Amino acid sequence: EVQLLESGGGLVQPGGSLRLSCAASGFTFNAYAMNWVRQAPGKGLQWVAGTTIDGGGLQYAVSVRGRFTISRDTSKSTLFLEMKSLRADDTAVYYCTRALVGYNGCFDSWGPGTLVTVSS
Amino acid sequence: DIQMTQSPPSLSASVGDTVTITCRASQAINIYLAWYQQKPGKAPKSLIYDASTLQSGVPSRFSGSGSGTDFTLTISSLQPEDSATYFCQQYTLHPLNFGGGTSVELK
Repeated sequence: EVQLLESGGGLVQPGGSLRLSCAASGFTFNAYAMNWVRQAPGKGLQWVAGTTIDGGGLQYAVSVRGRFTISRDTSKSTLFLEMKSLRADDTAVYYCTRALVGYNGCFDSWGPGTLVTVSS
Repeated sequence: DIQMTQSPPSLSASVGDTVTITCRASQAINIYLAWYQQKPGKAPKSLIYDASTLQSGVPSRFSGSGSGTDFTLTISSLQPEDSATYFCQQYTLHPLNFGGGTSVELK
């Protein structure tokens, strides 16, 4: 069974940093592109960042470019999102997603999400 | 950027009704469109990709159609468990934008 489990969320002050992790299991991690998608409270879905199978091909939403870094550790089947210079509008549930095999941006599996709250 | 516009924002229907949600892209995206279902407090669930291909395990009452800029999600014979918010998403070009969502409520 495919499982994605995010961790690392929490309360952080504006300007602070957090590192999210997503532990993947039940599939061959290095055969799938992976992405982060977020959802602010009561709002819609926003794609944040993505990485291709080999860890390259990094893509970012304009709103996070230069502040967030996506990476993956194939040996640990784990996806990361390093977040710096956090702002109030980064407050959201962050979902780890797996792309459909052979695709980069169509998501067939989602983790339950981890909440990031940016507030003083 | 490709903007995705869904309509209506919300709808109310009865069990057994047929429901149609539309999604329009600001430029042609071929068939590279996905639909997701999200229930309150839960992660989204993939329903359809490539505009009309059902994900494994998704009931056949869900169907998708369209290509280019105009797409539809149809739920035939609406069931109580279909009460949720539905999102479309294009994956032709980055950024991978989603539609604003359509909330489906049971009468």
